[in-house]
Amino acid sequence: AQKITQTQPGMFVQEKEAVTLDCTYDTSDQSYGLFWYKQPSSGEMIFLIYQGSYDEQNATEGRYSLNFQKARKSANLVISASQLGDSAMYFCAMRAFQGAQKLVFGQGTRLTINP
Amino acid sequence: KAGVTQTPRYLIKTRGQQVTLSCSPISGHRSVSWYQQTPGQGLQFLFEYFSETQRNKGNFPGRFSGRQFSNSRSEMNVSTLELGDSALYLCASSLAIGLETQYFGPGTRLLVL
Repeated sequence: AQKITQTQPGMFVQEKEAVTLDCTYDTSDQSYGLFWYKQPSSGEMIFLIYQGSYDEQNATEGRYSLNFQKARKSANLVISASQLGDSAMYFCAMRAFQGAQKLVFGQGTRLTINP
Repeated sequence: KAGVTQTPRYLIKTRGQQVTLSCSPISGHRSVSWYQQTPGQGLQFLFEYFSETQRNKGNFPGRFSGRQFSNSRSEMNVSTLELGDSALYLCASSLAIGLETQYFGPGTRLLVL
């Protein structure tokens, strides 16, 4: 079974600062994918970034990057130059290639950007 | 390309009633998954459909069911509603099953009174 742990229930960051959201995972699968989603107060889950377990390079998408440390089973999201619009819930999720291929989510981190 | 759409967006029902939620995936996507989100339990997987077949099912009672049509649109049904079924129901689509990225719709907020 897969498990995602996000240890930061809430974070407060000043605008324009970089922020790191922590995510650790547990799985016995060798092939899996790690995802980060953003959920504003409207409720829609917005896909941010993906990292495959066999990817050697850390994934980047604009201001988002994923700090993937496979041996430590961590997949932290880094947001550079935070903006007020980044205030939202952030979820880390994983999906195994075989077996039950459902997305398993962490409990989320509520990020608040202060002006 | 249009995103995932879900209807209705908001719904109020009473205990014992049944409800049907609809999801239209991104054009070309053949896999549809459903999730329930509550403050207490977080995001929980309900089921996944691919090519009109249920591929995976979460740990929910049989009152929760779904189906997928030949155009990949999906519906989920909840019968004999309970107060605890109040939640945000999210639908997600992907090109296929496996490690494909799932893209979510805006959700349907269900309130059971």
